[in-house]
Parts: sequence; C-alpha cells; structure tokens
Amino acid sequence: GAVVSQHPSRVICKSGTSVKIECRSLDFQATTMFWYRQFPKQSLMLMATSNEGSKATYEQGVEKDKFLINHASLTLSTLTVTSAHPEDSSFYICSARPGTGVTDTQYFGPGTRLTVL
Amino acid sequence: ILNVEQSPQSLHVQEGDSTNFTCSFPSSNFYALHWYRWETAKSPEALFVMTLNGDEKKKGRISATLNTKEGYSYLYIKGSQPEDSATYLCAYNTRAASKLTFGTGTRLQVTL
Repeated sequence: GAVVSQHPSRVICKSGTSVKIECRSLDFQATTMFWYRQFPKQSLMLMATSNEGSKATYEQGVEKDKFLINHASLTLSTLTVTSAHPEDSSFYICSARPGTGVTDTQYFGPGTRLTVL
Repeated sequence: ILNVEQSPQSLHVQEGDSTNFTCSFPSSNFYALHWYRWETAKSPEALFVMTLNGDEKKKGRISATLNTKEGYSYLYIKGSQPEDSATYLCAYNTRAASKLTFGTGTRLQVTL
C-alpha cells in the first residue's frame, strides 16, 4: 500500500518550453502533497506544499510563477516548470501524505529527471 | 547544528557485517525524526518515524535510536545483505512546520 507514482520519469526539453510533471497517490487520498528538488550531491529541498483545493505554499526563494502547482484532487498534484532554462535542470520528486499530522509519513514518488537544453 | 548532517557520506561493507551511521539535527524545537531508505531508480521508502527521546525502533535487521537532547539518531543494520545497498536519508521536522528538512544521506554498498 501507499504507492505514489510520478510521470514522466525523465524529460529533456528545449530552453523556453514548459514541462508538466504529475504526481499521483494510487491507493490512498492525499490531503497534502509536497514537491522537492535535488541538485547533485545536495539534499532534497522542499519547494512547495500543496493542499487539495487551495493554493500551494512556496518555500522562500522558489518562484511561484515559474513553478506552477495544481492540486485539483485528493490523488493528483501537478508541477509545471514554465519557460524552463538550463539552470532548472534537476531531479524533482513529490511526496504525498494521507493524514494531517506533522509526524504522518510522507510517501514518495520515484522522481523526475529534468534536463533543459 | 543548524541543519541535518549525516555521516559517513558513503560506506562500503561486506555481506554479514553490521554497520551503523549517524544523523545529527538541531535539538531545539525538535518534533520528529524520519528515516528513509532510497534504492536507485526507486521511491524513497519510509523506515521509521521517531519522536521521543530514547526511542528505539526496529524493522527486521534495521533499528534506530533517538537522542533529542543532544540531537542525533543512529541507524543500525545487523548482518548486512546486498539488498540493503541504498542511500539512507534522515529528515526532521519542528513543531513550527510540517516540512521535512533532509540530510544528504549515507550511501551504503554491501558486497558479497
């Protein structure tokens, strides 16, 4: 149980294009979903927290107009990287939390490797 | 400690060896400590969530301890097997926020 899928697993795009990444909780409903980014040899860094039906909360330094997050249902959140540039190349990974407690486990997707040429 | 630090960065052991690694975190405003195992090309898998000082949790050959006063947690693997090869991540959250702050992980490789 508690499986989270993420699609696509890998994407290569040209500079200036937009890329959408989907995160789905397959066997549970996720009140809250999280989006992280990981640069080489660094830790997972939280980009934003999204609650179903409301606006995402972005971490300091993350541009909300560049990284659009939509959490339209309890099983799906999407991250759109708009007008991507080479510096946006990174590993993006989502997690979903079925409960509302701070200590409730976050279940992760397998991640998306984005390469912007 | 201002951030989460994990040591060692990488570890190479032989099958059957027991091993352990450390996660250090800020002890002020501590709320919970999470351990994950992350195999290459897979999703990070939750191992433990720990909240209480002195807490000890076990899952098969893997166990973890927590010291919230001094800000560290140990993860132990008894009788390592090749399938234990993975990166082990720890993360903590504070009372103020539900967000997880991660360390960079310990990469474990177990060979025959």
